[in-house]
Amino acid sequence: NAGVTQTPKFQVLKTGQSMTLQCAQDMNHNSMYWYRQDPGMGLRLIYYSASEGTTDKGEVPNGYNVSRLNKREFSLRLESAAPSQTSVYFCASSVLAGGLNTGELFFGEGSRLTVL
Amino acid sequence: SQQGEEDPQALSIQEGENATMNCSYKTSINNLQWYRQNSGRGLVHLILIRSNEREKHSGRLRVTLDTSKKSSSLLITASRAADTASYFCATVGSGGSNYKLTFGKGTLLTVNP
Repeated sequence: NAGVTQTPKFQVLKTGQSMTLQCAQDMNHNSMYWYRQDPGMGLRLIYYSASEGTTDKGEVPNGYNVSRLNKREFSLRLESAAPSQTSVYFCASSVLAGGLNTGELFFGEGSRLTVL
Repeated sequence: SQQGEEDPQALSIQEGENATMNCSYKTSINNLQWYRQNSGRGLVHLILIRSNEREKHSGRLRVTLDTSKKSSSLLITASRAADTASYFCATVGSGGSNYKLTFGKGTLLTVNP
């Protein structure tokens, strides 16, 4: 099992460029998440999708858009990248039972994005 | 805003010693989870404790939860150099958006051989 796969692993962008981070999970999980991790800030939730067909804003959604393409895939798009979006981005998935996340999150290995 | 806050921010110990990390949170929770992150890697789930549980064990890990104090601790016994990593607590709220985890900033544990 591959688990959660993120692409690309590394990316350098110039200010104003756009890009999409891809995430796919093969565990048949209902819920998927995008987090960003910055030094001294821990992990902050950008967007999440509780189930296929739904997406919701997290703590820091500004400057990002997401698409839950199907149950397996959840992409994160930066329309006009800014230096403040330099970060490590993590995709995660989990089982959602009865509307409650009672289980663990499975994380991808991260995508390291630098915006110049 | 962060729900969980770990303490200390960094901890350095010798191999064989025990390591204790603490987590405090602000609002009512359904469960609290601990994760580990090796340098440059994704997070890995370690253990989950529900709000009606007080203590849980998994191998060399022991987690306690005190809901009256809104705090949890993670104890790693007989630590090894391979335990060197960052450790995060994460909470699932008991109301509202109760299907997403909120992470703390983490404790960086260094185990010296």
